[in-house]
Amino acid sequence: AQRVTQPEKLLSVFKGAPVELKCNYSYSGSPELFWYVQYSRQRLQLLLRHISRESIKGFTADLNKGETSFHLKKPFAQEEDSAMYYCALFDQGAQKLVFGQGTRLTINP
Amino acid sequence: EAGVAQSPRYKIIEKRQSVAFWCNPISGHATLYWYQQILGQGPKLLIQFQNNGVVDDSQLPKDRFSAERLKGVDSTLKIQPAKLEDSAVYLCASSLDRLAGVSQFFGPGTRLTVL
Repeated sequence: AQRVTQPEKLLSVFKGAPVELKCNYSYSGSPELFWYVQYSRQRLQLLLRHISRESIKGFTADLNKGETSFHLKKPFAQEEDSAMYYCALFDQGAQKLVFGQGTRLTINP
Repeated sequence: EAGVAQSPRYKIIEKRQSVAFWCNPISGHATLYWYQQILGQGPKLLIQFQNNGVVDDSQLPKDRFSAERLKGVDSTLKIQPAKLEDSAVYLCASSLDRLAGVSQFFGPGTRLTVL
């Protein structure tokens, strides 16, 4: 079954420190993976997708098929990065998104 | 462009009561999704519409939940009767079509509390 696992519910780092939010997936086929973010009092929005291979707000994520992971990284955390982050997989058969449980990232000043 | 609109934003009801949520997707978006997000969990798809037809309602508890999108635009999600475990945020999202489901735009959600 398609599944997305985010092992950390909470992650707290200091401003300027590196950040890594973990995501592992289970999917039979070629996965299409995403990171969504929800800032306080804002709606859920797409942060980045693995196909685009771009950096958004300093964040990058590399798909590692061998480890079935899609970890989100940023070398220097900023206070405005504090938010809920969700890893998601697009199930191409069912044409739907499957979300992980989410990680609440807090950046301490 | 205007985003996905939802109302109400908050609703508090007692168990066994009924409740309805409304969603207006982005203009021109053929596919509409309803998600349930229980506290501490990620969004879970309840039902997916393509225009006014249901394409996936496998996760919808059909004994108490119902949804419709009669004219292929706005949609309503109803719970009757509500249970305590229905307390959650109900998210509506839309995309141009099913193949564009990777690019979904989300509404602000309706937070339901069942007492």
